[in-house]
Amino acid sequence: SQTIHQWPATLVQPVGSPLSLECTVEGTSNPNLYWYRQAAGRGLQLLFYSVGIGQISSEVPQNLSASRPQDRQFILSSKKLLLSDSGFYLCAWSVLAGGYNEQFFGPGTRLTVL
Amino acid sequence: GQNIDQPTEMTATEGAIVQINCTYQTSGFNGLFWYQQHAGEAPTFLSYNVLDGLEEKGRFSSFLSRSKGYSYLLLKELQMKDSASYLCAVTDSNYQLIWGAGTKLIIKP
Repeated sequence: SQTIHQWPATLVQPVGSPLSLECTVEGTSNPNLYWYRQAAGRGLQLLFYSVGIGQISSEVPQNLSASRPQDRQFILSSKKLLLSDSGFYLCAWSVLAGGYNEQFFGPGTRLTVL
Repeated sequence: GQNIDQPTEMTATEGAIVQINCTYQTSGFNGLFWYQQHAGEAPTFLSYNVLDGLEEKGRFSSFLSRSKGYSYLLLKELQMKDSASYLCAVTDSNYQLIWGAGTKLIIKP
């Protein structure tokens, strides 16, 4: 069976500090991978998605970046965090099959920037 | 542009029935998902509709009308644990999921 891991679960960082969030998927090959951010009480905002190693599409211009160094590893980074980067970060995976692309989410990372 | 509309918040009573509506305008349509998200947790899959009609799964049912760009999620015999946000998402012509902002459902005893 497939599983998705995210860490850390919670993070408190000062403004201007760097960020690295990691997501790994097990039990599937060549998945589509996604990074979302969710502000308190709001919907999901797609930040990045990847259809393969080294292939990253950015949906929202910002001070965040993403990388996919391995097939089942997806990393979200920032060189200098802003207060507005606070939120709930979710990683997800999917495998498109016959038009069906259910997304499966990791447990999330709650980031607070102070 | 692409747009998905859901009510922001709904309140219902334990044991009752509630219907959460979702209307969408997207570039193409390849299916509609409903997800449940409890506070502080990740969304989890509830249902999927790609053809018109009703899909039933236990206490939960989901309906789709592609000609009207409309879906609803029906929750029966409400329980306190059903208090959560319910997210509607549509797969567009590029097979990307377009997400609604979610409906927060509050269940009162």
